[in-house]
Amino acid sequence: EADIYQTPRYLVIGTGKKITLECSQTMGHDKMYWYQQDPGMELHLIHYSYGVNSTEKGDLSSESTVSRIRTEHFPLTLESARPSHTSQYLCASSRDRGGVAFFGQGTRLTVV
Amino acid sequence: GQQLNQSPQSMFIQEGEDVSMNCTSSSIFNTWLWYKQEPGEGPVLLIALYKAGELTSNGRLTAQFGITRKDSFLNISASIPSDVGIYFCAGQLGSQGNLIFGKGTKLSVKP
Repeated sequence: EADIYQTPRYLVIGTGKKITLECSQTMGHDKMYWYQQDPGMELHLIHYSYGVNSTEKGDLSSESTVSRIRTEHFPLTLESARPSHTSQYLCASSRDRGGVAFFGQGTRLTVV
Repeated sequence: GQQLNQSPQSMFIQEGEDVSMNCTSSSIFNTWLWYKQEPGEGPVLLIALYKAGELTSNGRLTAQFGITRKDSFLNISASIPSDVGIYFCAGQLGSQGNLIFGKGTKLSVKP
């Protein structure tokens, strides 16, 4: 069973606010990912990390930023939220570089 | 970038029927994975395949890694209402590449 947690599960926030989505895993996985997904649609990789102090941009350009100061923690930040950022954000981790990824439950973000 | 073609896009079936979906690509993959996602949740791993020709079952689910390493299929036998959800295939290029996801197959089961 995967032990990867995202908070909050749901967030409704006004335009222009700064937000941070939290993601933590207790499996000691080196690689972590953030995906953006509109309801019922495909997953788009927006950020990933190979380990501490490593961050890379994914296939889909995103205005969000990420940091990886600790192995278990991979937060995503939006400095100024806009309605176009409304989506579901999924965090995942994997033991190896690539391979099986385990997902959190997601954060459903709505920017009004 | 690389793409996986997943089909069908959606399926509406009667409870008890068998289901089949597949993913194909022009690229060779090292690993094929199948996930299920229910509304409001993250994807959950169903089956992982690591060798060409490998056939793996998980309860009523069976998946195969194609011989050419360019495709995979997932079968669900005797579907039940709780099978409803979106099924995603994912493939890994090389030993260290990021996963590439298909666009999903949305399954609806009528009781």
